[in-house]
Amino acid sequence: EVQLVESGGGLVQPGRSLKLSCAASGFTFSNYYMAWVRQAPKKGLEWVATISTSGSRTYYPDSVKGRFTISRDNAKSSLYLQMNSLKSEDTATYYCARHGWEYWGQGVMVTVSS
Amino acid sequence: DVVLTQTPSILSATIGQSVSISCRSSQSLLDSDGNTYLYWFLQRPGQSPQRLIYLVSNLGSGVPNRFSGSGSGTDFTLKISGVEAEDLGVYYCMQATHAPFTFGSGTKLEIK
Repeated sequence: EVQLVESGGGLVQPGRSLKLSCAASGFTFSNYYMAWVRQAPKKGLEWVATISTSGSRTYYPDSVKGRFTISRDNAKSSLYLQMNSLKSEDTATYYCARHGWEYWGQGVMVTVSS
Repeated sequence: DVVLTQTPSILSATIGQSVSISCRSSQSLLDSDGNTYLYWFLQRPGQSPQRLIYLVSNLGSGVPNRFSGSGSGTDFTLKISGVEAEDLGVYYCMQATHAPFTFGSGTKLEIK
C-alpha cells in the first residue's frame, strides 16, 4: 500500500524558516517525480514544487521561487521542502504527492504568524 | 500561466441526478508528446484530494464508473452519471502540461 506521511509543520514567525518532510512507502520512491501542493485555509489548491527522480531538476511557481527548496533522499524514501523567508500568505496545509497525482499525503499545517 | 476556469462554482444535485462540471483552459493543454495532462480531483470535507480522472478521460483506480471525463484542447468536462451521497465535496481540474501547473478554482457539489 502506497503511503505518504508528512511531518514538520507548525507555527512559525514571518521571515523564519521551516522544513517539511514526507516519508514514502509502498512503492519504489526513486522511480517517481514527487511534488508539494498547498491549500490555504478555505481556499483552492496550489502547486508548490516538483522534483525529478534523481533530484537534479526542480520546478517552482514564481510565488515560492527563491524561497522554497524541494529535495529528496532516495535512500531514505523521503521528500523535503525547505521553506525560507516565510510570509503570512504561506499559511496553508501542505500536501506531498506522487506525480501522476494518484497518491497524496494527509497534509501538514503550516501557520505563519507573529 | 495557464488559467483554468471551472463552472459552475456551486452545484446542487439530488441523489441520482446526472451533473457536469466544465473546465476551460486559457491555452491548449495538448503536450508535444501527444498527451493532454488534464486531471480531475474530488476533495471531500476534511480529506486530501482524490484523483478521479487522469489524461482527460481515464478513470482512476477504484473510482466508480459513474464518473467520466471528456474534452480536448481547451475545453473539458467531468460528468457524474447518477450522483450519490458520497460524491459531495469540491471538484478541481488541474493541468500539468505547462509549468507552472495550475488548478481550477473548484466546484462545490452539494446534495439536496
